[in-house]
Amino acid sequence: AQSVTQLDSHVSVSEGTPVLLRCNYSSSYSPSLFWYVQHPNKGLQLLLKYTSAATLVKGINGFEAEFKKSETSFHLTKPSAHMSDAAEYFCVVSDLKTVYNQGGKLIFGQGTELSVKP
Amino acid sequence: KAGVTQTPRYLIKTRGQQVTLSCSPISGHRSVSWYQQTPGQGLQFLFEYFSETQRNKGNFPGRFSGRQFSNSRSEMNVSTLELGDSALYLCASSLREYQETQYFGPGTRLLVL
Repeated sequence: AQSVTQLDSHVSVSEGTPVLLRCNYSSSYSPSLFWYVQHPNKGLQLLLKYTSAATLVKGINGFEAEFKKSETSFHLTKPSAHMSDAAEYFCVVSDLKTVYNQGGKLIFGQGTELSVKP
Repeated sequence: KAGVTQTPRYLIKTRGQQVTLSCSPISGHRSVSWYQQTPGQGLQFLFEYFSETQRNKGNFPGRFSGRQFSNSRSEMNVSTLELGDSALYLCASSLREYQETQYFGPGTRLLVL
């Protein structure tokens, strides 16, 4: 069974400092992993996705994530936080076997709320 | 290209009523999924439709139902509303069957009084 654990429910950083949002996953098969961002009163926006092409994935707005199979992790990073990055971030897992057998079902982590202080 | 649109954006209903939410996917996308988001349970999968057929269903009671039309637009219906149905309902579309990357709409916020 697939699952996702976001290790921090809330992260606070100062503007201009690095961001690290942690995510561990569990999947029986080769997973696809995603990070989505949700700004207040908005829908979810896809930041980046990993689908086994490269372990370091670059996304939008300067975010990137590294897939580490040995650690079953997919942490999201950004070198320098901006005020506009304040939002909730979701780590998401899917895998092809589940997709082919059960359709496009995504499994979401509980979310990490990122606060950015001026 | 326009994104996923959902109507209405906000709804207030009372217990026992029913509600229908609508979702129009990105043009050319044929798969539509629905999710419920609440502070306590987070984001949970409701169901997915492709070519007017429900392909998968999450762990929700039968009061939650949906359908998809030939133009890929989808509706979900909740009958006999309960207070706990208050949530943000998100629709997501993807290009084709077995497509993992999903694009989300802004959601419909439902408040049940």
